[in-house]
Amino acid sequence: EAEVAQSPRYKITEKSQAVAFWCDPISGHATLYWYRQILGQGPELLVQFQDESVVDDSQLPKDRFSAERLKGVDSTLKIQPAELGDSAMYLCASSPGGQETQYFGPGTRLLVL
Amino acid sequence: DAKTTQPNSMESNEEEPVHLPCNHSTISGTDYIHWYRQLPSQGPEYVIHGLTSNVNNRMASLAIAEDRKSSTLILHRATLRDAAVYYCILKNDYKLSFGAGTTVTVRA
Repeated sequence: EAEVAQSPRYKITEKSQAVAFWCDPISGHATLYWYRQILGQGPELLVQFQDESVVDDSQLPKDRFSAERLKGVDSTLKIQPAELGDSAMYLCASSPGGQETQYFGPGTRLLVL
Repeated sequence: DAKTTQPNSMESNEEEPVHLPCNHSTISGTDYIHWYRQLPSQGPEYVIHGLTSNVNNRMASLAIAEDRKSSTLILHRATLRDAAVYYCILKNDYKLSFGAGTTVTVRA
């Protein structure tokens, strides 16, 4: 069964450093999502791509976060500089289209020291 | 986003049914009711969804009230692998807006 791949699974970094997360969606899925999940809360959408275009980045802190999906396949989420409050699980999901079931990857757990 | 209300936690015994309630009194006519669950240290996974009629699949059943202001996710025979956080979400476009969900504990 096809799965969404994410790497790394765990990342420890120091405050003010840059960090990047990678996501490879299920093959053929046009829509890709990045979520952030703070411990004890549900995931919160950061950005949604339709192919290579950003559809919604209204909750993305654009002063320090950036996301790209250059060829409409895999995607990278970057934080620069990282802050203590960025410690969370970063989840990637994909779907065949924007209104269809979303399939989530295992996430990247980030700890900022 | 229309909001849902779920209990913080529920406990069940293994092999017994689990009924997870969800209130959504401000639901609109075009909102679908979706359920996802999140096992420990994993990403959420889709469970089931419906609009007006009750729905069944291999994982669970979804019972929707006639006025659509509440729904119940039914796990027919809970196993230890069903221990997870269950999220009830109203969706009418691409967006999934997760709340805190219900943490289900299954006792052996």
